[in-house]
Amino acid sequence: DAGITQSPRHKVTETGTPVTLRCHQTENHRYMYWYRQDPGHGLRLIHYSYGVKDTDKGEVSDGYSVSRSKTEDFLLTLESATSSQTSVYFCAISRQGLNNEQFFGPGTRLTVL
Amino acid sequence: AQKITQTQPGMFVQEKEAVTLDCTYDTSDPSYGLFWYKQPSSGEMIFLIYQGSYDQQNATEGRYSLNFQKARKSANLVISASQLGDSAMYFCAMSSNSGYALNFGKGTSLLVTP
Repeated sequence: DAGITQSPRHKVTETGTPVTLRCHQTENHRYMYWYRQDPGHGLRLIHYSYGVKDTDKGEVSDGYSVSRSKTEDFLLTLESATSSQTSVYFCAISRQGLNNEQFFGPGTRLTVL
Repeated sequence: AQKITQTQPGMFVQEKEAVTLDCTYDTSDPSYGLFWYKQPSSGEMIFLIYQGSYDQQNATEGRYSLNFQKARKSANLVISASQLGDSAMYFCAMSSNSGYALNFGKGTSLLVTP
């Protein structure tokens, strides 16, 4: 198994509070991604990173920010959580671009009340 | 824009039978990758198989094969000799230009019956 961990695995929070999810890899892979999974939508890209301090937006980036200060860590922050951000969040890593599969972390289930 | 379509929300198959899960895609890029992932009820995403757009032969991985028809823009997953443990959600995905992130279809739920 690829060495990817996510923390926390479960979180319940209230509307308006800040939340940070952490993705940690031990594979030294260049690319890291944050997706969210909602019923009927598959997985949708929030943000991605192609190197330390190099990040960009995905399809559903509104309300989220990311940071990558080290190769191994990719943080996803909800500055002010809303109920629409209740979801399962997956981190993924990839060694390099087009022809490489992505390996996924175990997911974080976030509930915003 | 890229798009992945999985038209079968749910499928049933009997144990030991083969099953085909459909996936069509739309892209104007000449170079792309196609992937299938399995998500069991426990929630993890498991990589199954990959097909590159320039690959001449269909990809195979054990009981999984990818029926790649480039002209028809389809990348169907074939599971041979189904097992009860194959019951899961299956997602088709395509690599995109956004840092090679994956665009996912909405998934097909497969139930294998005894």
